[in-house]
Amino acid sequence: ILMTQSPATLSVSPGERVTLSCRASQSVSNNLAWYQQKPGQAPRLLIYRASARVAGFPARFSGSGSGTEFSLTISSLQAEDFAVYYCQQYNNWPGTFGQGTQVEIK
Amino acid sequence: EEQLAQSRAEVKKPGDSLMISCQGYGYTFSSYWIAWVRQMPGKGLEWIGVIYPGDSDTRYSPSFQGQVTISADKSSNIAYLQWSSLKASDSAMYFCARPMGVESKWYFDLWGRGTPVIVSS
Repeated sequence: ILMTQSPATLSVSPGERVTLSCRASQSVSNNLAWYQQKPGQAPRLLIYRASARVAGFPARFSGSGSGTEFSLTISSLQAEDFAVYYCQQYNNWPGTFGQGTQVEIK
Repeated sequence: EEQLAQSRAEVKKPGDSLMISCQGYGYTFSSYWIAWVRQMPGKGLEWIGVIYPGDSDTRYSPSFQGQVTISADKSSNIAYLQWSSLKASDSAMYFCARPMGVESKWYFDLWGRGTPVIVSS
């Protein structure tokens, strides 16, 4: 399953609302996860089952979608949120990742 | 605290063999699958394969089948990723991660810090 994320890069000012998109080449139901990766660090699980937020991430992060269309929204971007975000489908083995969206400071 | 500790960076020559490791702490290592994930420089994430340390059941992504070997020592809580003959194209960051989910529908809830592998003549 091919996962396509858009846009590749988002230039955003702190405090802005951002929405990242992830599209699957076929339905993955709600078996979709989002990860945050900062430079030089491992990815961190942020969202699983399309909308379940992991403890340790604030409520400004939310995920939605099902089937082939998914989104990750950050309601008010904070300095610590600048990172690369990856989606991953895990409906079919092996789970496949999108190419990532880099959220950078405008 | 649950964590996965990975071995240090490696610099090798083409044709060399290599084994890198991932040791689990703070949870029952043998009761959870462990996966290996590749990240090439400036690129995304690719699932290499997964092993269940309890019985060494191992599965490989089709793209990596025959290219690497995954093994585990449940008595030491360590998983391994091994190459018999490295290529320059194997240069990447390699993460171990713990898959969570059911019936092979896995996402990763715990990650190691990664082992950089550089293959250069």
